[in-house]
Amino acid sequence: KAGVTQTPRYLIKTRGQQVTLSCSPISGHRSVSWYQQTPGQGLQFLFEYFSETQRNKGNFPGRFSGRQFSNSRSEMNVSTLELGDSALYLCASSDSGGASYNEQFFGPGTRLTVL
Amino acid sequence: AQSVTQLGSHVSVSEGALVLLRCNYSSSVPPYLFWYVQYPNQGLQLLLKYTSAATLVKGINGFEAEFKKSETSFHLTKPSAHMSDAAEYFCAGNNFGNEKLTFGTGTRLTIIP
Repeated sequence: KAGVTQTPRYLIKTRGQQVTLSCSPISGHRSVSWYQQTPGQGLQFLFEYFSETQRNKGNFPGRFSGRQFSNSRSEMNVSTLELGDSALYLCASSDSGGASYNEQFFGPGTRLTVL
Repeated sequence: AQSVTQLGSHVSVSEGALVLLRCNYSSSVPPYLFWYVQYPNQGLQLLLKYTSAATLVKGINGFEAEFKKSETSFHLTKPSAHMSDAAEYFCAGNNFGNEKLTFGTGTRLTIIP
């Protein structure tokens, strides 16, 4: 099976712009989670989507949003970018409660730099 | 709320020496626990997972971890370090039915030749 893929791998934006990141989960996985990784805050959970519905949400402002499509692919959007949004954004997929016991498989991440 | 604590943000060991990375969890219910490894500019790779089936868990690349409920710990060990083990290691946990992973702050492992 192909792993989790994320596009683009690198992105440079300026303050005030918006950005959309994409994630394709492992085939058959219906749960997609997003995490933000920064040197100062570490790995923080953004949100999780399951069958096109947001099932879990972390403690991030409303500028961060996401969605999931019927094929389980997911996108996350950040509006009105701030310098502090510079981070590695990781997507993870799982088959949610199946035999993998909540095991999440991570993609390579999208490195976002806000100037 | 569940939390995961990793003691030591940096650990250095000599090649061939024992690797011990510490992780403690705080939860009213023993969670599912995971160790992930991250190499530079890459995502997270699962090393091993605890799902209550066995307290001693063996993972990839010669790593293993032991779940100790009495100590609320899930420390990661490897008998003999290899240069290729240099990376950042994250302990994480969640509960059944909740995909949200809570991560520790990570431990950067350096291998001394």
